[in-house]
Amino acid sequence: DADVTQTPRNRITKTGKRIMLECSQTKGHDRMYWYRQDPGLGLQLIYYSFDVKDINKGEISDGYSVSRQAQAKFSLSLESAIPNQTALYFCATSGTGVGEETQYFGPGTRLLVL
Amino acid sequence: SQQGEEDPQALSIQEGENATMNCSYKTSINNLQWYRQNSGRGLVHLILIRSNEREKHSGRLRVTLDTSKKSSSLLITASRAADTASYFCATANFGNEKLTFGTGTRLTIIP
Repeated sequence: DADVTQTPRNRITKTGKRIMLECSQTKGHDRMYWYRQDPGLGLQLIYYSFDVKDINKGEISDGYSVSRQAQAKFSLSLESAIPNQTALYFCATSGTGVGEETQYFGPGTRLLVL
Repeated sequence: SQQGEEDPQALSIQEGENATMNCSYKTSINNLQWYRQNSGRGLVHLILIRSNEREKHSGRLRVTLDTSKKSSSLLITASRAADTASYFCATANFGNEKLTFGTGTRLTIIP
């Protein structure tokens, strides 16, 4: 089984709808991240969490919110989806110590907002 | 904003040749990482080099880091068709443990 899973894998929604993307991990990592990738571009950080009680905004948090329900679960919500939020969304995890800086990515959620 | 910029944006080479891609960044870093992404899939970590290191090897991969020039290079030797992917550098700054990704190099290996 994959260490980092994301649901759904694909989602089509309409402008103004609220949607939630979910991420689960079995790596036992404290740190979790949500990124957005637009075609032909790198990843931009939306939100990150270094433990269950710690939530931080990234570069592009406007229009998004997150919830860290447990060490293993980190959800991303689009409160009122708009077309320019159409993108590929990735969740990632990492450890906390020196030598644990590698991030492990989920397979991604492809979101289309009509 | 993107901390790293990869060069070239796209690269096509024959199978068996070596592929070199470069990454430049703007601010002092704690470490620099290279990731690989197959089309539409999640990123996979390749190698990490710390700011006090100048070169690291992993299999057919060789990474160099020049902190005076704020640049890094990734060399893939004896390329294979399966190396076709996008490659991203990502930097971690001191005291800031997030990664900032570059825009990537799209590598195509021609069989």
